[in-house]
Amino acid sequence: DAGVIQSPRHEVTEMGQEVTLRCKPISGHNSLFWYRQTMMRGLELLIYFNNNVPIDDSGMPEDRFSAKMPNASFSTLKIQPSEPRDSAVYFCASSLISMTRSTDTQYFGPGTRLTVL
Amino acid sequence: DQQVKQNSPSLSVQEGRISILNCDYTNSMFDYFLWYKKYPAEGPTFLISISSIKDKNEDGRFTVFLNKSAKHLSLHIVPSQPGDSAVYFCAASELGNTDKLIFGTGTRLQVFP
Repeated sequence: DAGVIQSPRHEVTEMGQEVTLRCKPISGHNSLFWYRQTMMRGLELLIYFNNNVPIDDSGMPEDRFSAKMPNASFSTLKIQPSEPRDSAVYFCASSLISMTRSTDTQYFGPGTRLTVL
Repeated sequence: DQQVKQNSPSLSVQEGRISILNCDYTNSMFDYFLWYKKYPAEGPTFLISISSIKDKNEDGRFTVFLNKSAKHLSLHIVPSQPGDSAVYFCAASELGNTDKLIFGTGTRLQVFP
């Protein structure tokens, strides 16, 4: 399997522009997670989906952030308008959630490094 | 407020010696703990986990210890190897909310020859 695929790997944009990050989870996984990594806060969970349905978006910083999962093989995280403080590495992860924890390890993509000037 | 804390941002250890990475948590509802390892330009990868019903879990050179009364866990790597140089994240989840992992800020481990 190719693992979790994220695009782009790097994004540089100007303040005020719209940014869209993309994620393809591992085939067969039923949960998808978006994280943001910063030096100060480490890895923060932004939102996660189970069977394409958003379950918990309490980590989304503000209304400028939105996420969608139109089908089991694709998700987007959109920031509109972007601000310099959004600069971070954004990770997507997927897992197969089951009744036993032995199978719900999260597998991370390589991340998207976002720089907002 | 950080519910999972890794107070040491970095650690340097000589090859062959023991590396001990520490993690503290504040939420008494956490019942499952994990360690993830991250190399530069890659996503974190799962390393080892422990349930709150145990106080130790071992996998090869990696052992995780859990002290529930102190709300503290640690990852021991013995012997340390240069390939272990990475950022290590501690994570935890609550009983009944196993999907949601709360991560710490990470500790950068450097193993030198």
